[in-house]
Amino acid sequence: DTGVSQDPRHKITKRGQNVTFRCDPISEHNRLYWYRQTLGQGPEFLTYFQNEAQLEKSRLLSDRFSAERPKGSFSTLEIQRTEQGDSAMYLCASSWGTPYNEQFFGPGTRLTVL
Amino acid sequence: KQEVTQIPAALSVPEGENLVLNCSFTDSAIYNLQWFRQDPGKGLTSLLLIQSSQREQTSGRLNASLDKSSGRSTLYIAASQPGDSATYLCAVNNNAGNMLTFGGGTRLMVKP
Repeated sequence: DTGVSQDPRHKITKRGQNVTFRCDPISEHNRLYWYRQTLGQGPEFLTYFQNEAQLEKSRLLSDRFSAERPKGSFSTLEIQRTEQGDSAMYLCASSWGTPYNEQFFGPGTRLTVL
Repeated sequence: KQEVTQIPAALSVPEGENLVLNCSFTDSAIYNLQWFRQDPGKGLTSLLLIQSSQREQTSGRLNASLDKSSGRSTLYIAASQPGDSATYLCAVNNNAGNMLTFGGGTRLMVKP
């Protein structure tokens, strides 16, 4: 069990560019979550997968954002036409099975949009 | 809509002091509550998970309590150390999808 991993750890991009982040959950965890955290704030939920199905999306997830989990294992989060307001830490978490189980977080991807 | 508040937002204490961090939530119909630690620029480390049927959980010098009916949880840290300096976040889960709602965190500084 190597924990949740995320790649890249840091990304600097220019406004208008597209970026893609990857998350590898703990193996055999069927639930995967994306959160966004801005400086000095707690994380906010973005979207949630159970296996390969995307079951919930926050209103924070504008149409410039898309997430996939094609085989129910790793997930990608893509942001198109980035804006300066997208600058944040993007956190991935995973858990197993029921709502009663603990969520485990990855180290996050820090995005800076210039 | 669930709202989570943490008080205080920041706390500075001398080493060795016992301290209490507070978390309140508006919707008491929760599955569980989780306390996390976050170091600057890093991800979240899970400290304690309390199920809605439990009153408290302990791990080493940490003790978390839950009063679901009043919508409150506390994290007690005994004999604080400089290495405890970090931001502490509480998060509640009140939906079957287990999406967490976080408080804004308490930034703790323990001075040697």
